[in-house]
Amino acid sequence: DTGVSQNPRHKITKRGQNVTFRCDPISEHNRLYWYRQTLGQGPEFLTYFQNEAQLEKSRLLSDRFSAERPKGSFSTLEIQRTEQGDSAMYLCASSSYFSGSSYEQYFGPGTRLTVT
Amino acid sequence: DQQVKQNSPSLSVQEGRISILNCDYTNSMFDYFLWYKKYPAEGPTFLISISSIKDKNEDGRFTVFLNKSAKHLSLHIVPSQPGDSAVYFCAASVGAQKLVFGQGTRLTINP
Repeated sequence: DTGVSQNPRHKITKRGQNVTFRCDPISEHNRLYWYRQTLGQGPEFLTYFQNEAQLEKSRLLSDRFSAERPKGSFSTLEIQRTEQGDSAMYLCASSSYFSGSSYEQYFGPGTRLTVT
Repeated sequence: DQQVKQNSPSLSVQEGRISILNCDYTNSMFDYFLWYKKYPAEGPTFLISISSIKDKNEDGRFTVFLNKSAKHLSLHIVPSQPGDSAVYFCAASVGAQKLVFGQGTRLTINP
């Protein structure tokens, strides 16, 4: 399977706990994006990386959220001191960005977070 | 502020007929537009895209039309098939950066 993979697929946690999600992009893709989707809404941008550099962070990304892509391959998204409002589907996408390339982003299956 | 809007939350179409999904945007800096299809409990699947320098792009049963003056795009699916039943999202970007999504339209294809 050469698509984007995300782990875990589901996570249930208690309010106040920390959680970490992992994303493995398509192997030749140099850009990696994180989005969050809540019920009835489209995905909302959180942050993205080109190789290991984090190029943009949304205002949605509070101080409790941190993302890394240490070697320009997989990425992790950590949420500290989770709140019930963090319950959502967390989506990872990757793309191949070079001069003249197309702009399509390919999504993984997502991690469903439930904070109780 | 909602820069990308899909004003129809749902659409029901007879199998074999044409499905037309609509999307409006407000940011004139958007230069690339995409349509994604999403099934429950899965991530969005890329369908088709169009650059702002074009007004039409076709891929099999799917055609996307872009009207820059009206800031409007549409996705045509013809003929519609039962497997097309899903939620469809339009998305836009400026210079291959983050995608801005609409709220989605749930398409139901009836036999």
